[in-house]
Amino acid sequence: QVQLEQSGAEVKKPGASVKVSCKASGYTFTTYYMHWVRQAPGQGLEWMGIINPSDGSTSYAQKFQGRVTMTRDTSTSTVYMELSSLRSEDTAVYYCARAVSYGAFDIWGQGTMVTVSS
Amino acid sequence: QSALTQPASVSGSPGQSITISCTGTSSDVGAYKYVSWYQQHPGKAPKLMIYDVSKRPSGVSNRFSGSKSGNTASLTISGLQAEDEADYYCSSYTSSSTRVFGGGTKLTVL
Repeated sequence: QVQLEQSGAEVKKPGASVKVSCKASGYTFTTYYMHWVRQAPGQGLEWMGIINPSDGSTSYAQKFQGRVTMTRDTSTSTVYMELSSLRSEDTAVYYCARAVSYGAFDIWGQGTMVTVSS
Repeated sequence: QSALTQPASVSGSPGQSITISCTGTSSDVGAYKYVSWYQQHPGKAPKLMIYDVSKRPSGVSNRFSGSKSGNTASLTISGLQAEDEADYYCSSYTSSSTRVFGGGTKLTVL
């Protein structure tokens, strides 16, 4: 069935970088855009950006410009989200989500908890 | 891009109907038909309930419906059931080609 499988939890120190993976299966990887969304503990959802798996083009939320990089590997049907210069406020669950229509996310990964702590 | 505005909480009794509002601007909710709604139970990933303002994905109960008027979108849940108790988020496409979420609404089934 259609699913997105994310990498495991991470613990990072302030200033470090983290790279989260999201492996797609059950559909043609290059057909659907992929988004990244995060959720801090007890908080709401926050959109981070989008990648087109077909050509690798990206667009990021202004808040993350310069700190986030989204890439893809079509040979393994995997997208990646790397966030640098981590600070405590980046502690959150990070989700990848497949898009149908403009911003309707129909399939979500299970989430990856990233903890930033000294 | 500011978050869309949702009530922090709503409640209703089993069998009743409730409506959750989602207010944006003429640059997001008011400008496009691309409003979606998500249900999130504690510790789980969000689930798409409504997309393109009023379309229901396959498998979602017809008790869930969506609409929009001007800069405000709404999610209505009829025939409330205990399993509907969850957090609900709206989302919209924006004129900057970004996406924005609402702050979330906690639904309590009394």
